Amino acid sequence: SQTIHQWPATLVQPVGSPLSLECTVEGTSNPNLYWYRQAAGRGLQLLFYSVGIGQISSEVPQNLSASRPQDRQFILSSKKLLLSDSGFYLCAWSVSGLSSPLHFGNGTRLTVT
Amino acid sequence: SQQGEEDPQALSIQEGENATMNCSYKTSINNLQWYRQNSGRGLVHLILIRSNEREKHSGRLRVTLDTSKKSSSLLITASRAADTASYFCATDFKAAGNKLTFGGGTRVLVKP
Repeated sequence: SQTIHQWPATLVQPVGSPLSLECTVEGTSNPNLYWYRQAAGRGLQLLFYSVGIGQISSEVPQNLSASRPQDRQFILSSKKLLLSDSGFYLCAWSVSGLSSPLHFGNGTRLTVT
Repeated sequence: SQQGEEDPQALSIQEGENATMNCSYKTSINNLQWYRQNSGRGLVHLILIRSNEREKHSGRLRVTLDTSKKSSSLLITASRAADTASYFCATDFKAAGNKLTFGGGTRVLVKP
């Protein structure tokens, strides 16, 4: 069966520090991969998605970047965190192609102080 | 905005009652999906309904889709305390490829 791992579960970082969140998927090949951010009590905002190694689409101009160095690995990064980067970050995968359900990790709660 | 919008934002019911929440969207879709999120956790997929379908069932869940009104509803029958969660609709817009756009969610509290 397929599983998705996302870590760390919680993170407190000072303003101006770098960020690296990692997500890996097991049990499937060539998945679509996604990074979403959720503000407290709100819906999800799509940040990045990837349909293949090295292929990253950015949805929102921001202080973050994403990379996909391997087929089932998706990394969210920042060189210098801002207070506004605080939030709940969710990684998800889907079968490649249209109209597929997303399968989410358990998220990372990031607090920038 | 192309985002789906849920209504109501919050819902409080007694165990055993039915819970109904609605989702509206603005442009043509390939499909509409409903997800559930327990507090502090990732989202879990519940049901996918395609644009050529009008109703789908899964256990105590019933989803309807009215493409003429650009709206969908999620009904949870005979609710349980364990149904307490936030529920989100997500739309797969035809112009957006395989990217889902989520609404703001409905927070459901089922009181025992």
